[in-house]
Parts: sequence; C-alpha cells; structure tokens
Amino acid sequence: DILLTQSPTSLSASVGDGVTVTCRASQTIDNSLHWYQRKPGRAPELLIYSANNLQRGFPSRFRGSGYGSDFTLTISNLQPEDFATYYCQQSYTSPFTFGGGTKVEIK
Amino acid sequence: QVQLVESGGGVVQPGRSLRLSCVESGGFQFGSYEMHWIRQAPGKGLEWMTRISFDGANREYADSVKGRFTVSRDNSKNTLYLEMNSLKIEDTAIYYCVRQWRMVRGVFGYWGQGTLVTVSS
Repeated sequence: DILLTQSPTSLSASVGDGVTVTCRASQTIDNSLHWYQRKPGRAPELLIYSANNLQRGFPSRFRGSGYGSDFTLTISNLQPEDFATYYCQQSYTSPFTFGGGTKVEIK
Repeated sequence: QVQLVESGGGVVQPGRSLRLSCVESGGFQFGSYEMHWIRQAPGKGLEWMTRISFDGANREYADSVKGRFTVSRDNSKNTLYLEMNSLKIEDTAIYYCVRQWRMVRGVFGYWGQGTLVTVSS
C-alpha cells in the first residue's frame, strides 16, 4: 500500500497568514494526488485534484503543487472559513490511501 | 446537484451483520459513475473501504474488510449498498458513500453526510 505522510499534523495561524502543508508518498504517484477540506460536522470536500487543479467554488488562495512523491498545499491570506482539517489522498493505485490530516487552527 | 443519502447505520454486536444503503436523489446519472465507501473511525483519519465500477462488474476492497464486506449497486434504483458481515469493534465509524469526480478513477468528488455504525457488545 502507498503510505502518505502529511506534515505538520496541526498548525496554528492567524487570519491573513500563509501556510503550507506537505504530503509525501512512499513511492512515486505521478500527479495522482488530491486534497480535501474537512470542516467539523461536515463531510470532506474535494479541494484540489491531480496535484494542482483547484476545484470549482474554492478561492484562488488555495494552491496545490508537486509531482512524483512530494506535494504541497499552500493557503495564502488565511480566512476564517479556511480553518479546517486538510487531507491528501492518492488515486495512483488501489487501495486508495489518505494522509493523516493537517488541522489548521486559529492562533 | 448530486445528493447522496446514506442509511442503515446503528448499534450492532460484534460478529453480527449490517447493511448500509446510499441513495442518489439529485439525478446525476448514478449508473455512469464508480462509487465508493469510505469510513472514519472516532479520532482517526479517513479510510477507503471499497470501490465498485459504474456497472458493478469490478469491485475492489481494502484488506481490512476483504472477505467480510460486500459492495453492490442497483442502478435502476440509484442505490449503492454495503453488506457488512462479521463486524468487529474496530469497524465502528462513520461510513460515507462517495461518488467519483467526473470520470476520474479514485478521486472522491461527492460525499454523503455519512451514517454511524457502532459495533459494541
């Protein structure tokens, strides 16, 4: 199984800050890496697909990058609605696996 | 708009069975897309369980449920099922029904709100 290691597991930031979340795969997965946003009490939502494609409805302050085994989610100018848990996930091969999640909290 | 509604969760004893259902009511051509079940145990991360192809011909399972869980679908009823047998305490989780994103295999575009399964004696 492909292991996805996310870091950090949590971070605290202020409104207006920029933050970076990383996701490292245990083997190369090309661009088959996707990011999800999860708010308390709600189902996850697809945020970025295929490493760097922003899902419709999300603002451009979210950016995904990377290829192969190292990927990054960058959020610039954090807004109150961005405080959530973010998960990476690979679709390169079954079983489809998720990273452990990164909780972005308000400082 | 895609709407997925799960049902069938509840409290069940270890070793017993439970069947989950997921109905799509938004009219998005249910029978054209692969579907998945994904779960989240209390305090844990997301875990993919199973995938079924658009026509039901192909199914894949996580090792943790292989041989115990069976996914199926009835496209005439826009319904996805998960038959769970020999349940274990560690199967306690919220179970989500998920549709693929566009036609991209393994990308989870639409999620239901989930149904809670509690395995307890």
